[in-house]
Amino acid sequence: DAGVIQSPRHEVTEMGQEVTLRCKPISGHNSLFWYRQTMMRGLELLIYFNNNVPIDDSGMPEDRFSAKMPNASFSTLKIQPSEPRDSAVYFCASSSDRELSQFFGPGTRLTVL
Amino acid sequence: GQQVMQIPQYQHVQEGEDFTTYCNSSTTLSNIQWYKQRPGGHPVFLIQLVKSGEVKKQKRLTFQFGEAKKNSSLHITATQTTDVGTYFCAGRQTGANNLFFGTGTRLTVIP
Repeated sequence: DAGVIQSPRHEVTEMGQEVTLRCKPISGHNSLFWYRQTMMRGLELLIYFNNNVPIDDSGMPEDRFSAKMPNASFSTLKIQPSEPRDSAVYFCASSSDRELSQFFGPGTRLTVL
Repeated sequence: GQQVMQIPQYQHVQEGEDFTTYCNSSTTLSNIQWYKQRPGGHPVFLIQLVKSGEVKKQKRLTFQFGEAKKNSSLHITATQTTDVGTYFCAGRQTGANNLFFGTGTRLTVIP
C-alpha cells in the first residue's frame, strides 16, 4: 500500500493567491482528517470527513478555508485568499472504523509570502 | 472544550538515560493513542490503550493509561539517538472518530 498521498509536498505562494492541497487516503479507509501544524499552535485538527461527509469543521480557521471530499479516494483543502499566517505544514490522515489509528501523509509545507 | 496537555514540552537527555512524558485530558477518554514524529517527518502511530489502568510495552517503551482514563504516560528506558522526535498523545471520546492531539513532548538525545 502506498500510504496516504499528499500533493504538492511544498508550496510557495504570494499573499492573496489561491492554494489547493490534495490528499488521497489509504484505500478502504472511510475517515479523512486535515491537520495544520505550526511551532506556535502545534497540531490542530481543521476538519474531518466520515464516508465522504464533513463531520466536524469547527477547526477551520475562517471562511477563507474550505475542504471537499467528492469521493472516497480524494480530498482537497483550499485556501482563498492565502495570507502569510497560513504558512504551516498541512497533514492529511486517514483511518478505518476497524482500526481507528490514523495514518498520516507526508504533509504539504506551505509558505505564503 | 476538550483539551489534552502534555508535559514536559521539551526534554534533553543523555543517551542511556530514561525519559517520561505525561499526558492529561480535561475529560474522560474512551481510548488514547501515542504517535511519534521524527524531525521533518509526519506523526506515526505507536500504540493504542483502551482499558483503565492498561499497561503496554514495546521493547524499551512502556505506555500506561490511568485508572480514571484521563491521563497517560510514555516511558522510554535507556534512550538511544533513534528515539529523537516529538511524542504526541491523542485522546478519543466515546463515539467520536476524531482525536484530540496533545501538545507534544520534543525529545532530544545527546550522544
